[in-house]
Amino acid sequence: GQSLEQPSEVTAVEGAIVQINCTYQTSGFYGLSWYQQHDGGAPTFLSYNALDGLEETGRFSSFLSRSDSYGYLLLQELQMKDSASYFCAVLSGNTGKLIFGQGTTLQVKP
Amino acid sequence: GAVVSQHPSRVICKSGTSVKIECRSLDFQATTMFWYRQFPKKSLMLMATSNEGSKATYEQGVEKDKFLINHASLTLSTLTVTSAHPEDSSFYICSAREDSNQPQHFGDGTRLSIL
Repeated sequence: GQSLEQPSEVTAVEGAIVQINCTYQTSGFYGLSWYQQHDGGAPTFLSYNALDGLEETGRFSSFLSRSDSYGYLLLQELQMKDSASYFCAVLSGNTGKLIFGQGTTLQVKP
Repeated sequence: GAVVSQHPSRVICKSGTSVKIECRSLDFQATTMFWYRQFPKKSLMLMATSNEGSKATYEQGVEKDKFLINHASLTLSTLTVTSAHPEDSSFYICSAREDSNQPQHFGDGTRLSIL
C-alpha cells in the first residue's frame, strides 16, 4: 500500500523557522509535493521535489531524500498568515495521481 | 499562473437531487483532471482521474454510478452527484494539470450540503 506520515500539529511564533517532516511508503514514486490549505479554501501548490536536495522559493524551502523516503517543508520568517494546513503528497506513477498525507496544522502565534 | 475555476462554490439542496459541479482550466489545456473529496479536518481523498475524451478511472470504493464524471474538452470536466443524500455532504475539489511534467492546480472547491 501507500502511506505518508506527517505531524498532525505544529505551533510556532512569528518570525521563527519551522520544519514539517514527511515520510512516505509508496510504489512508483515520482516526486514529493507540498500544498498549503487555509480553512475553507482549496489547496495551493507550494513546491515539488523530484530529485534529492533542497528547493528554495522565497521563505519556503522543500527537501527530499529519496533513499530515506523522507522530505520536509521549511518555513522561514513565519507570518501570521502562514497559519494553515500543510499537506505533503506523493506523485505516484505515470498516471499523475497525488496521494496526500493527513496534513499538518500550523498555528503561528504572535 | 495556472488558474482552475470550480463552480458552484456552495450548494445546498434536498435529498434526492442531482448536483453538477464544473471544473474549468482557464489559461491552459488540461489533459488530466482529478476529483477529490475532503471531510472537515481531514485529508484530500482522490475519487477519480479524468482524461479528456475517455472514461474516468475511479478509485476503489467510489461508486461510478453515483459520481458521474465527464471530461468532454481539454478545459472542462464535470462531476455529477446523482440522487444525493446527506452522507454525500462534503467539500469536493477538482484539480487539473497540463501534462505529466506539470503540477496539479486546484479549483476553489464546492461545499455540498444535502438536507
